[in-house]
Amino acid sequence: KAGVTQTPRYLIKTRGQQVTLSCSPISGHRSVSWYQQTPGQGLQFLFEYFSETQRNKGNFPGRFSGRQFSNSRSEMNVSTLELGDSALYLCASSRGVAGVTDTQYFGPGTRLTVL
Amino acid sequence: QKEVEQNSGPLSVPEGAIASLNCTYSDRGSQSFFWYRQYSGKSPELIMSIYSNGDKEDGRFTAQLNKASQYVSLLIRDSQPSDSATYLCAVRLTGGGNKLTFGTGTQLKVEL
Repeated sequence: KAGVTQTPRYLIKTRGQQVTLSCSPISGHRSVSWYQQTPGQGLQFLFEYFSETQRNKGNFPGRFSGRQFSNSRSEMNVSTLELGDSALYLCASSRGVAGVTDTQYFGPGTRLTVL
Repeated sequence: QKEVEQNSGPLSVPEGAIASLNCTYSDRGSQSFFWYRQYSGKSPELIMSIYSNGDKEDGRFTAQLNKASQYVSLLIRDSQPSDSATYLCAVRLTGGGNKLTFGTGTQLKVEL
């Protein structure tokens, strides 16, 4: 079974621009979660989508948004990029069913550099 | 107090030894616990999950959970240089939906 895929793998943007990242979950998985990883803050939860609805949201400004499509693929968008948005953006997929055993599997990540 | 805490390390062990990685969490109602391994420049890879008190073994890896003391640990037996990585403890907190809260990770170095 194919794993989680993310595109693009690397991005270089300048301050003020916007960016869209894409994630395709494991086949059969309906939940997609997004995380930001930086050396200073570690792994931080951005949001989770399930059945095209945002089910959970972390403490990030409104410049960070996302959506999920009917095939469970998800995109996240960051508008008005700031230098501090430079990070590894990770997508994780899971079945999304209720219960303690739902397990998240990570994609390879998108490395975003803001100049 | 951080929600999930780990010693950042580095933890150095000789090849063939047992590496012991520890994690504490603050939310007593947490029910799901995960260990991920992350090599430098790569994404986290699931190593173990544990939900009930006690030990869970998978090959050279053993996860231990003690909910009363609010800690979870990972033991790696017969450590190999290829085990050198950062190990992330993740907890699904009560009422957090599918959100995982991560510790800062422990860097493990297995020396020849």
